[in-house]
Amino acid sequence: GNSVTQMEGPVTLSEEAFLTINCTYTATGYPSLFWYVQYPGEGLQLLLKATKADDKGSNKGFEATYRKETTSFHLEKGSVQVSDSAVYFCALNQAGTALIFGKGTTLSVSS
Amino acid sequence: DSGVTQTPKHLITATGQRVTLRCSPRSGDLSVYWYQQSLDQGLQFLIHYYNGEERAKGNILERFSAQQFPDLHSELNLSSLELGDSALYFCASSATGQTNYGYTFGSGTRLTVV
Repeated sequence: GNSVTQMEGPVTLSEEAFLTINCTYTATGYPSLFWYVQYPGEGLQLLLKATKADDKGSNKGFEATYRKETTSFHLEKGSVQVSDSAVYFCALNQAGTALIFGKGTTLSVSS
Repeated sequence: DSGVTQTPKHLITATGQRVTLRCSPRSGDLSVYWYQQSLDQGLQFLIHYYNGEERAKGNILERFSAQQFPDLHSELNLSSLELGDSALYFCASSATGQTNYGYTFGSGTRLTVV
């Protein structure tokens, strides 16, 4: 069945460091891919998405490119801020199925 | 505010009891999804309703049930509660049954079973 695997955290960075959170997926066909973010005490918020191969999703300085050849959707940001501290979830969806999430990666950014 | 409203925000109850969690989807959204978030299992899909009809079931226990009402709000009923049912329960909504554009999540109900 479909699944999402993301790097285990926590990821601890200093402010202005470069961020990469790896995400790979297993799916038949062509799923849509998402990154969600969960701030402490809140629900999940859609951060960015890509619906077909080679699409790049971007939002708030975060980017991720849908790589079908490597079945990956890695999240990157060039310069993280303390306010980016949160849990990040990679997810996939195919028509007719609900969103499937990875286990989440905790990011902690210190000043 | 995401537009998805979940009540209550916190719930503490004893083992063996029954609780009802409520979700009002974002205005205009016809689909409601329920997820359970626990430290060891991560985010697990429970069930999906679209315009009052059950569309898909995930890892939902037989002790759990849900429904979506004509006004599109949804309720998740958890019965014969066990300590292991302690978790965050999220509701999400989307405009249709298709989810290429993602879901909008509520802020969750934290259930503690003691």
